[in-house]
Amino acid sequence: ETGVTQTPRHLVMGMTNKKSLKCEQHLGHNAMYWYKQSAKKPLELMFVYNFKEQTENNSVPSRFSPECPNSSHLFLHLHTLQPEDSALYLCASSRGLGGNTIYFGEGSWLTVV
Amino acid sequence: AQSVTQPDIHITVSEGASLELRCNYSYGATPYLFWYVQSPGQGLQLLLKYFSGDTLVQGIKGFEAEFKRSQSSFNLRKPSVHWSDAAEYFCAVGGGPNTGGGNKLTFGTGTQLKVEL
Repeated sequence: ETGVTQTPRHLVMGMTNKKSLKCEQHLGHNAMYWYKQSAKKPLELMFVYNFKEQTENNSVPSRFSPECPNSSHLFLHLHTLQPEDSALYLCASSRGLGGNTIYFGEGSWLTVV
Repeated sequence: AQSVTQPDIHITVSEGASLELRCNYSYGATPYLFWYVQSPGQGLQLLLKYFSGDTLVQGIKGFEAEFKRSQSSFNLRKPSVHWSDAAEYFCAVGGGPNTGGGNKLTFGTGTQLKVEL
């Protein structure tokens, strides 16, 4: 059982759709992350939030829009995606920044058709 | 820039045999090092981590890893592999509290472990 919960686990969307991924952490952490895992590629850090403030945007296209209303919740809003955006999107959290252990959720499998 | 190399994409071992997964890193200071495991369709689970101190660290599920600064390596080992260990294993390197710029982990491309019965 993980302290980081992601919904939905699977999502299929058309290129013109708007959908959102949700992440909730029950660990009392202050930092939250979105990672992208594509086949045959290393995990890519997308966004970092610390105490609700975005501290990192790793040159992510604007069709991915994160939202962090509080330290326990993180969303990834998706719109006009491309088929190459199909991947496993992993949410993670840590107590803080700078060397703290990062704990991952089980991921949301996204397929863009 | 930090980087991680996992030279073995696939490894097959027999159940009960010993296992060593290789990880080499590049980092400008003392790194924080991690091993994660990912079962099919699942997220990443932390196996163990090295922050400082004893260079041989113990993790969950009977895994251990040894930090060798001179070789820039952090290899993962298990004396006797179980069929349930079949999964993908990721090594990661990150900075410590004084590195600034947030908690960025750089991952290797992973090693897929297959266990033969």
